[in-house]
Amino acid sequence: AQSVAQPEDQVNVAEGNPLTVKCTYSVSGNPYLFWYVQYPNRGLQFLLKYITGDNLVKGSYGFEAEFNKSQTSFHLKKPSALVSDSALYFCAVRRNAGNMLTFGGGTRLMVKP
Amino acid sequence: DTEVTQTPKHLVMGMTNKKSLKCEQHMGHRAMYWYKQKAKKPPELMFVYSYEKLSINESVPSRFSPECPNSSLLNLHLHALQPEDSALYLCASSQAGSPYEQYFGPGTRLTVT
Repeated sequence: AQSVAQPEDQVNVAEGNPLTVKCTYSVSGNPYLFWYVQYPNRGLQFLLKYITGDNLVKGSYGFEAEFNKSQTSFHLKKPSALVSDSALYFCAVRRNAGNMLTFGGGTRLMVKP
Repeated sequence: DTEVTQTPKHLVMGMTNKKSLKCEQHMGHRAMYWYKQKAKKPPELMFVYSYEKLSINESVPSRFSPECPNSSLLNLHLHALQPEDSALYLCASSQAGSPYEQYFGPGTRLTVT
């Protein structure tokens, strides 16, 4: 069965510093991987996805993610964090057949001024 | 237009009430989803509609009844709910099949008293 793990419940970074939010996955076959962000009392917003090709994926709001097949990881990164990036981040994996999306437990990102 | 709308934003209902949640999208997506999300937890998939037909029911209790009247609308009918059903209910849509990202609405905050 497919699964996604986000090992950190919370990540704290100072504004202007680089940030990394970790995600590892377990799925048979080739995975399709996604990152979403959720602000308080809002729905999830799509940030980026990996399907195939270049292991470095660029997405919205300056975020990028690196796919590492050997480590089964898909970490979200940003070179310089903003206070407005503070939110709940979810990694998700979709099987290459079907519409189901399995989410990780979420990581709360706190960016302090 | 990448917007998914949901009404109402907030709903308080008693355990004997009948109410409905509504979701609408005009992106031409043929897959639509209902999720339930508890505070600080990832969304849990409830139902998937593909081409207006129910394709996935994640063993959801019968007090939740989905309906897809047309390709743009998705309803969730509620009856005889329990206090533990209080949560944020999220609707999402995507192009049918993989590997398309899902677009989420802002959710309906449901409180069952």
